[in-house]
Amino acid sequence: QSVLTQPPSASGTPGQRVTISCSGSSSNIGSNYVYWYQQLPGTAPKLLIYRNNQRPSGVPDRFSGSKSGTSASLAISGLRSEDEADYYCAAWDDSLSGSVFGGGTKLTVL
Amino acid sequence: EVQLVESGGGLVKPGGSLRLSCAASGFTFSSYSMNWVRQAPGKGLEWVSSISSSSSYIYYADSVKGRFTISRDNAKNSLYLQMNSLRAEDTAVYYCARDRADGYTPSGLDYWGQGTLVTVSS
Repeated sequence: QSVLTQPPSASGTPGQRVTISCSGSSSNIGSNYVYWYQQLPGTAPKLLIYRNNQRPSGVPDRFSGSKSGTSASLAISGLRSEDEADYYCAAWDDSLSGSVFGGGTKLTVL
Repeated sequence: EVQLVESGGGLVKPGGSLRLSCAASGFTFSSYSMNWVRQAPGKGLEWVSSISSSSSYIYYADSVKGRFTISRDNAKNSLYLQMNSLRAEDTAVYYCARDRADGYTPSGLDYWGQGTLVTVSS
């Protein structure tokens, strides 16, 4: 059971906008930054969003992050087939003195 | 070009030990915090441990505390994970990952190695 809760799956059609949620608590999301990672099949994870809503250089602006209270979400607009991947949220947890990941959401592009 | 190359994985019996290494290049290794993250077969990501640039801040997941030790050698641009008392549930691909910055808490893992597989089985 992961400390951060994500839906196990999400789906959308090309061009659509999808959102993936990440729920935590006051000791993690509620008091620290949220990060999002994309893991394409058979590859290492890639940083998509840092500090709640910042994109590293090279990440398309179709990807956006937001945070409110103890929850966060990743939005992907203009969905493309190459977006089919597993997505993970992460945050520092003050109670655990460590980083925690969500269980991951498998995004399917129909 | 930033490169992180893990090595040292393999098959080990329960209760055994293994030392993973991560060779870094293409950036000033001594200026960044580093992490180990693992992924069991078919499962999600699990953060294992992190170490700040000067080794001042070291953290472990509860699942490995007391059994694993993270260390680094800035002169050799290398990160290590000493794993003792290994269990079947430690079976996973272990990734070395660079933090975007250096500090008390993470800033996002912006570069990852290709991973090294550790299998704990009798």
